[in-house]
Amino acid sequence: DTEVTQTPKHLVMGMTNKKSLKCEQHMGHRAMYWYKQKAKKPPELMFVYSYEKLSINESVPSRFSPECPNSSLLNLHLHALQPEDSALYLCASSTRDGTYEQYFGPGTRLTVT
Amino acid sequence: AQSVAQPEDQVNVAEGNPLTVKCTYSVSGNPYLFWYVQYPNRGLQFLLKYITGDNLVKGSYGFEAEFNKSQTSFHLKKPSALVSDSALYFCAVSPMNRDDKIIFGKGTRLHILP
Repeated sequence: DTEVTQTPKHLVMGMTNKKSLKCEQHMGHRAMYWYKQKAKKPPELMFVYSYEKLSINESVPSRFSPECPNSSLLNLHLHALQPEDSALYLCASSTRDGTYEQYFGPGTRLTVT
Repeated sequence: AQSVAQPEDQVNVAEGNPLTVKCTYSVSGNPYLFWYVQYPNRGLQFLLKYITGDNLVKGSYGFEAEFNKSQTSFHLKKPSALVSDSALYFCAVSPMNRDDKIIFGKGTRLHILP
């Protein structure tokens, strides 16, 4: 299984809502990532979990809260978002064994109204 | 500071012709270099990488890339383009001591004309 899955595919939420994005991989990868991607732009790194511990937070606003319940699962909890947070949110994973490439999920298209 | 430059926003190539998508990098130490492709409304797909060894790297879907240390370049190439190659291509670099961090170029949109 070489797949990273993300749910939901699409999400529309109001600025006062609380929602969560979910990411799952069963490749035994020990690093998992959240990226934000605006249209026609490269992905911007948000968070990295390495061996289930948060290792990188790229100064992301606290309205985004990551969680890694186990080595296969990654969540991104959303609260009080702004319209400018509308974007494609990508999850990725990698091995941390020296092969370095990341495997990406299809993303969640988030619209904040 | 580490950086990746893709000088072309868009590249147009006729089907069947060879294609090149350019990438230059700036990183201290030996770089780890990658190419990813993104089709509309999809996540990124890994194409190929250079870590060490042979400067010519072969990847998925007939793509290859040549690592040139003196020119700090890692151009993506394919001998014969297909219409299905039309997509957004990202070059990326990972600093040698940070295999958990990838810096992406701005992307190059490749249009293959039938």
